[in-house]
Amino acid sequence: SSELTQDPTVSVALGQTVRITCQGDSLRSYSASWYQQKPGQAPVNVIYDKNNRPSGIPDRFSGSNSGNTASLTITGAQAEDEADYYCNSRDSSGDHVVFGGGTKLTVL
Amino acid sequence: EVHLLESGGGLVQPGGSLRLSCAASGFTFNSYAMSWVRQAPGQGLEWVSVISGSGGSTDYADSVKGRFTISRDNSKNTLFLQMKSLRAEDTAVFYCAKGGIGGVYDYWGQGTLVTVSS
Repeated sequence: SSELTQDPTVSVALGQTVRITCQGDSLRSYSASWYQQKPGQAPVNVIYDKNNRPSGIPDRFSGSNSGNTASLTITGAQAEDEADYYCNSRDSSGDHVVFGGGTKLTVL
Repeated sequence: EVHLLESGGGLVQPGGSLRLSCAASGFTFNSYAMSWVRQAPGQGLEWVSVISGSGGSTDYADSVKGRFTISRDNSKNTLFLQMKSLRAEDTAVFYCAKGGIGGVYDYWGQGTLVTVSS
């Protein structure tokens, strides 16, 4: 079982805003990063260290953190955003990396 | 441009061994920690192992500790994962990723499939 918990599925209407959450005790101490994975492809980092976007990632992607919950927000979701999204961070001991179970985002 | 290319995956019997490689280019390899992350068929991502830029520090997930060994050859810009005593539950796509214990992986390879089956 993962120390980071994500909702398995989330849906959003085209052009609307969606928030994907990640919960875990370690998030009180360590930053979360987010990865987008499309079928048959390697993951792509979309947010790192809470709310930093790598070069080339659209600014509709943003991150935030409150207490034990990290969030990935997509403002104005596009069809190409349909994918699996994973959060990760350090585990409670701080020694290892842990991933959330992933959220499948459907854009309606 | 950063490029990571894994190789070495394949079909292996339970109890067998396999060595994965990851050829890196486009960045100063010895300046960065590197990691292995795997994904079982239809499942989520699982961190496997990390190695420091110098190779002097390593760590492993409990699920592979004692069976897998991570190493690197900085003269050849190559990362390795030696896997032994393989089990059916090790069946997965193995990705190498640029990044360390903080869990920020800014570049990933395309992955190599390891299938453990008799």
